[in-house]
Amino acid sequence: EIVMTQSPATLSVSPGERATLSCRASQSVYSNLAWYQQKPGQAPRLLIYGASTRATGIPARFSGSGSGTEFTLTISSLQSEDFAVYYCQQSNNWPPYTFGQGTKLEIK
Amino acid sequence: QVHLVQSGAEVKKPGASVKVSCKASGYTFTVYFIHWVRQAPGQGLEWMGRINPNGGGTNYAEKFQGRVTMTRDPSISTAYMELSRLGSDDTAVYYCARDYGYPHLGDFDLWGRGTPVTVSS
Repeated sequence: EIVMTQSPATLSVSPGERATLSCRASQSVYSNLAWYQQKPGQAPRLLIYGASTRATGIPARFSGSGSGTEFTLTISSLQSEDFAVYYCQQSNNWPPYTFGQGTKLEIK
Repeated sequence: QVHLVQSGAEVKKPGASVKVSCKASGYTFTVYFIHWVRQAPGQGLEWMGRINPNGGGTNYAEKFQGRVTMTRDPSISTAYMELSRLGSDDTAVYYCARDYGYPHLGDFDLWGRGTPVTVSS
């Protein structure tokens, strides 16, 4: 089973600033990596798939990069609605599909 | 509009079973796999398995093998997840999610709102 590790667990950033979230896989997942956003009481929402492709309707301030075992989600200029928990997930080796433990992005 | 509408909250006793439904609308149900993902209180996301609505083939996470059954009824565009021998650690929100589809199998582009399941004596 591939273990996904996200860092940091919590990230405090001011509105308007850039946020950088990291995700590491225990073995290569090539570009088979997705990012999800989850707000309290809501289901996750797909942001990025294929490591770098934005899902339908996702603003351009969200970008994904990386391949192999190291991945990054960048939010270029934080808006109030971006403060949430973010999960990475690999789809290369399954079952099972596995998620990281999440990074909570909070207002500084 | 495309939606996945899940059944309502459940409260079960230890040892019982729960069956959660997920009704699809706004797209052709048989084209996309349906996955089930759960989230314990304050915890992360855990993949349980998937079903192919076209034929009913399933794949389960090893952790749930022998305890989970995923089925579907294409005539009403509905998928089901049944979990048996419930324990307190099965208390969670259970989500159904649609697979994005080829070539991005295993990305989940549409989610239900979740079904809370509480296991308590």
